[in-house]
Amino acid sequence: EAGVVQSPRYKIIEKKQPVAFWCNPISGHNTLYWYLQNLGQGPELLIRYENEEAVDDSQLPKDRFSAERLKGVDSTLKIQPAELGDSAVYLCASSLESTEPQYFGPGTRLLVL
Amino acid sequence: QQQVKQSPQSLIVQKGGISIINCAYENTAFDYFPWYQQFPGKGPALLIAIRPDVSEKKEGRFTISFNKSAKQFSLHIMDSQPGDSATYFCAASNRGGSEKLVFGKGTKLTVNP
Repeated sequence: EAGVVQSPRYKIIEKKQPVAFWCNPISGHNTLYWYLQNLGQGPELLIRYENEEAVDDSQLPKDRFSAERLKGVDSTLKIQPAELGDSAVYLCASSLESTEPQYFGPGTRLLVL
Repeated sequence: QQQVKQSPQSLIVQKGGISIINCAYENTAFDYFPWYQQFPGKGPALLIAIRPDVSEKKEGRFTISFNKSAKQFSLHIMDSQPGDSATYFCAASNRGGSEKLVFGKGTKLTVNP
């Protein structure tokens, strides 16, 4: 069974540019999460989806970050415009239901110059 | 406010030794405590998890010990192997894991051959 797929794996952009990350969760998983992981830190939740509904986006900086989960499957996380401090790894995870274990993708490593 | 405090930050053990990583939490509503293992360039992978109705859970060489009164839980890796060298994160959530996972800052484990 395929795991969580993320693309791109690496992205280098200049500040003020837009960037988008894509996530394909494990088939059949209803809950999808986006996490931010800074170097030397644990992941921090940005947003959680139950199917296509964002049920927890309290930690998402809405002035520059946006996310969507079309048809309750794939998801896209966007940053516009990117800032230097956005350099980090963006992780996507999914679970069968919100009370089930979360499985993480490999992440997208973003470097903002 | 850091809700889950993890120690030590780094740990070096000899092959065959026991690795012990500790976590303490503050929110008494937490009722789901997973441990994740992360290799460089990879996403975190669920290792083992415990709920507070038991004081210990063992899976192979990995054991979680849970002390509800002290609000502490720990990961023990028996017969540590070089392949166990990774960063380990404890996490906690409430409502059976349906609420967001709060991660510790991680412990970088090095097992020397």
